[in-house]
Amino acid sequence: DTGVSQNPRHKITKRGQNVTFRCDPISEHNRLYWYRQTLGQGPEFLTYFQNEAQLEKSRLLSDRFSAERPKGSFSTLEIQRTEQGDSAMYLCASSLGQPGRQETQYFGPGTRLLVL
Amino acid sequence: DAKTTQPNSMESNEEEPVHLPCNHSTISGTDYIHWYRQLPSQGPEYVIHGLTSNVNNRMASLAIAEDRKSSTLILHRATLRDAAVYYCMERGGYNKLIFGAGTRLAVHP
Repeated sequence: DTGVSQNPRHKITKRGQNVTFRCDPISEHNRLYWYRQTLGQGPEFLTYFQNEAQLEKSRLLSDRFSAERPKGSFSTLEIQRTEQGDSAMYLCASSLGQPGRQETQYFGPGTRLLVL
Repeated sequence: DAKTTQPNSMESNEEEPVHLPCNHSTISGTDYIHWYRQLPSQGPEYVIHGLTSNVNNRMASLAIAEDRKSSTLILHRATLRDAAVYYCMERGGYNKLIFGAGTRLAVHP
């Protein structure tokens, strides 16, 4: 399967702990996105990378959140000092961005986080 | 915030066509209309997009009103596997997708 993969698929943690999620995009995709989805809502944008550069961050991305994409390949999303409100599905998407062309984003299956 | 409005839910019977409406009355002249869907327990997947002309692909058709203030996603023959939440979005020069609450489609056998 050459789609977007995310690990772990599920994570249960206690409030105050740190968690890290990994996303492996489709190879050769230069753009990578993180979204968060709570129950009954559509996904909300968190942050976006073009290659290794983080080009946009949402106001939703508090100081406790950090994302990296070293070498422009896989990406990690870390949440420090988790809170119960961080419980959500964290989705990663990748795309091949080309100037002047509408891109299609390909989503992974998500990581479901539950903070107790 | 999402700039599109969609019905919260719709129902269809298997093998029947489904027309999913979307209003985007403030869309600019250069923004595309994109549709994604999200099956249960999966990430969203791309369905179709268009600018002015009607578009067809293997999954669906997209009919865009002449004034571009609304569009309709058409599933020609609904199957049980089409039960999902369908999201309509405007897409201009921004890279991120801005999802609304979408339309939850139920398909009955």
